[in-house]
Amino acid sequence: GQNIDQPTEMTATEGAIVQINCTYQTSGFNGLFWYQQHAGEAPTFLSYNVLDGLEEKGRFSSFLSRSKGYSYLLLKELQMKDSASYLCAVRGGGSYIPTFGRGTSLIVHP
Amino acid sequence: IAGITQAPTSQILAAGRRMTLRCTQDMRHNAMYWYRQDLGLGLRLIHYSNTAGTTGKGEVPDGYSVSRANTDDFPLTLASAVPSQTSVYFCASSDSFAGSAYNEQFFGPGTRLTVL
Repeated sequence: GQNIDQPTEMTATEGAIVQINCTYQTSGFNGLFWYQQHAGEAPTFLSYNVLDGLEEKGRFSSFLSRSKGYSYLLLKELQMKDSASYLCAVRGGGSYIPTFGRGTSLIVHP
Repeated sequence: IAGITQAPTSQILAAGRRMTLRCTQDMRHNAMYWYRQDLGLGLRLIHYSNTAGTTGKGEVPDGYSVSRANTDDFPLTLASAVPSQTSVYFCASSDSFAGSAYNEQFFGPGTRLTVL
């Protein structure tokens, strides 16, 4: 199976930049996802990486290094509405269903 | 219906009772999934289906069963509920199961289940 590690909680200031890291161990890596989940709501898709490098999508960017088993989600120009849990999910081990990490709770304060 | 729906929104259930959580999607997605989410443990896969007529076991299948009679519906049944099944249950779907496409998952709003 996969072993996925993310920080449990992070805090940041409105307008700042925050980087949420995700490390993983898996055989047959086949993609990494980031989802956002606001309290009491369903997860929603943010980004997908399967090749090394940076994928940029507006204020959010996601980076992948397959050799290091490492990804990060970068959030720029933080807004209060960015307070949420961010879930890293890895696909590998011969399965096309991603395994989710425990998520990182991000608190944005004024 | 737009997207994926779940029913009920929440339920309090006596231990030993049978309960079916409903999930319906209108996106014609082949693959569907059931997860439970518990504080500190993240999303864990219970069962999945990659196409109508087929199902498979996930990480935590014990005490749960599923069926996939058609493309749109994927009910989850607890035959005899126990307190450890208290959780938030999310149904999800994706366009396809196999292949190299990334196939993002779309999640329903969830069912909050309490077993007493």
